[in-house]
Amino acid sequence: AAGVIQSPRHLIKEKRETATLKCYPIPRHDTVYWYQQGPGQDPQFLISFYEKMQSDKGSIPDRFSAQQFSDYHSELNMSSLELGDSALYFCASSLTSAEQYFGPGTRLTVT
Amino acid sequence: AQSVTQLDSQVPVFEEAPVELRCNYSSSVSVYLFWYVQYPNQGLQLLLKYLSGSTLVKGINGFEAEFNKSQTSFHLRKPSVHISDTAEYFCAVSARGQYNQGGKLIFGQGTELSVKP
Repeated sequence: AAGVIQSPRHLIKEKRETATLKCYPIPRHDTVYWYQQGPGQDPQFLISFYEKMQSDKGSIPDRFSAQQFSDYHSELNMSSLELGDSALYFCASSLTSAEQYFGPGTRLTVT
Repeated sequence: AQSVTQLDSQVPVFEEAPVELRCNYSSSVSVYLFWYVQYPNQGLQLLLKYLSGSTLVKGINGFEAEFNKSQTSFHLRKPSVHISDTAEYFCAVSARGQYNQGGKLIFGQGTELSVKP
């Protein structure tokens, strides 16, 4: 069965640079969630989209923005990167249900 | 708002012994409950979920959990663990929406299960 795809899987950036993370949900899923997991921490909700509209917002810095496109894929844009942004970024998708299916994550390292 | 507390940060156990990972939650609305497992440097895999119905839910790899509404708990159990069960386990909750849809997941701090031979 098709799963959630995230790209890239690994990304290394320098401070103050910009990064774009992409998420391709399971086909026909209408909701996308983004989570950030710092080293040794639990995942923290960042933002979600339902039918291409922002549906909820968590502890997402103003330097970050995200959107969901007409084909339902989503992108998380991160500017002015800081060392503290180094983390594993997960995308999850769902079809108007309680269960979320997680992608493998993008590991971002900021140097 | 919802919150999740996993009562043990680390649980060491010998192979073939039973294990229980404890999870308590707080919420002013009805919730859905989940347990996820994360192996080193990997993503999150759903072990089991409670959406409604029977309070005893069975998941993959021989794990089960019991939803206790009065004690606001959702403890994870396995009667006999294997070395391969060594991983980080996260309990999570989401609010039940108006149309029974789910929402953002709120995770506990995680429990590191270490199975020793």
